[in-house]
Amino acid sequence: QQQVKQSPQSLIVQKGGISIINCAYENTAFDYFPWYQQFPGKGPALLIAIRPDVSEKKEGRFTISFNKSAKQFSLHIMDSQPGDSATYFCAALNNAGNMLTFGGGTRLMVKP
Amino acid sequence: DAGITQSPRHKVTETGTPVTLRCHQTENHRYMYWYRQDPGHGLRLIHYSYGVKDTDKGEVSDGYSVSRSKTEDFLLTLESATSSQTSVYFCAISERAGLSGANVLTFGAGSRLTVL
Repeated sequence: QQQVKQSPQSLIVQKGGISIINCAYENTAFDYFPWYQQFPGKGPALLIAIRPDVSEKKEGRFTISFNKSAKQFSLHIMDSQPGDSATYFCAALNNAGNMLTFGGGTRLMVKP
Repeated sequence: DAGITQSPRHKVTETGTPVTLRCHQTENHRYMYWYRQDPGHGLRLIHYSYGVKDTDKGEVSDGYSVSRSKTEDFLLTLESATSSQTSVYFCAISERAGLSGANVLTFGAGSRLTVL
């Protein structure tokens, strides 16, 4: 069973809009939550990450919001651009620090 | 995809045949990983290596074996391929064991395997 659930599976946003991708986890033994971005034909690349002692982290147009009590975290992409069109994966790292569990992915399309 | 080469990039094979995928790195990183990517499942860890000849199982290791005889090469073998192993396989590397903070996973470009 999937320990990290990601939604939606696909998302279409107009240029300049806000893209929001949500993830929920079940295992309280996770302690690091990265997001990866993947373009077609490429491997995933780290986009932004957050630790559970922080409720929000912002890097440019990308923001992670983290709700530890609800075991949920989300990625917000402000002023979405066509170049942001990609598949996004949330992930959670176990306490031992050696295994990442990924969500199912969200395919984002930003229309010009 | 900086310092990681996967081969072959595409392969079509038949059920029951053996298949070996190769991951080659030029970063001299100690840790190497094999993931498979399937729609709706994200990426799932198959096996990983924490040094030459040191490997361990991931969450979906059944039907797969790995070998690492040199720091730079990590091989994934399907002894007898099945249609359920049709997938995109990604190799990843990291410098240290802990995957948090600056020690991120760096992924290769992937190998698309189709088992007929």
